[in-house]
Amino acid sequence: EAGVTQFPSHSVIEKGQTVTLRCDPISGHDNLYWYRRVMGKEIKFLLHFVKESKQDESGMPNNRFLAERTGGTYSTLKVQPAELEDSGVYFCASSVTGSDTQYFGPGTRLTVL
Amino acid sequence: AQSVTQPDIHITVSEGASLELRCNYSYGATPYLFWYVQSPGQGLQLLLKYFSGDTLVQGIKGFEAEFKRSQSSFNLRKPSVHWSDAAEYFCAVIGGGGGADGLTFGKGTHLIIQP
Repeated sequence: EAGVTQFPSHSVIEKGQTVTLRCDPISGHDNLYWYRRVMGKEIKFLLHFVKESKQDESGMPNNRFLAERTGGTYSTLKVQPAELEDSGVYFCASSVTGSDTQYFGPGTRLTVL
Repeated sequence: AQSVTQPDIHITVSEGASLELRCNYSYGATPYLFWYVQSPGQGLQLLLKYFSGDTLVQGIKGFEAEFKRSQSSFNLRKPSVHWSDAAEYFCAVIGGGGGADGLTFGKGTHLIIQP
């Protein structure tokens, strides 16, 4: 069974540009989460989808971040426009309904110059 | 709000020696606790978890952790480390209501293995 996959693995962009990160959860996992780790800090929760609905987006830093999960399968996280402080590693995780165990992807390292 | 503290940023252990990584949590109800490991270039892998029952939980790769409510701790242990255990270790807590809430992580502990 394939695990959680994320694309791209690395992205380097300039301040003001737009970047879209993608996450493919494990097949059959209705729950999808986004997290971010800024250098030197802990991994922080961003938001949680149940199927295509946003269950909790309390961790989203501001309105430059837009997450979608059309069709309840893969998810995208768009940053527009990117700022220097958005640099970090963005993780995606998924879980089955009724389980508290989340399975993580390898992350996308975003560098904003 | 719940929080997790990992007081050690780096720990160096000789190969074959025992290991204990510390984790303290702050949560009002019964916590659901996790340990994850991230090897270089890899995603986070679940080592073990505690929800209820026996306070000593066994995980993968020979790791175990003990939940101590009186000390608000969930320390990770391994009797004999291998060079392949060099990685970053994260303790995390989730809401105890059974819902699929977001994880709250500690800052992580880098484990360095000396030959």
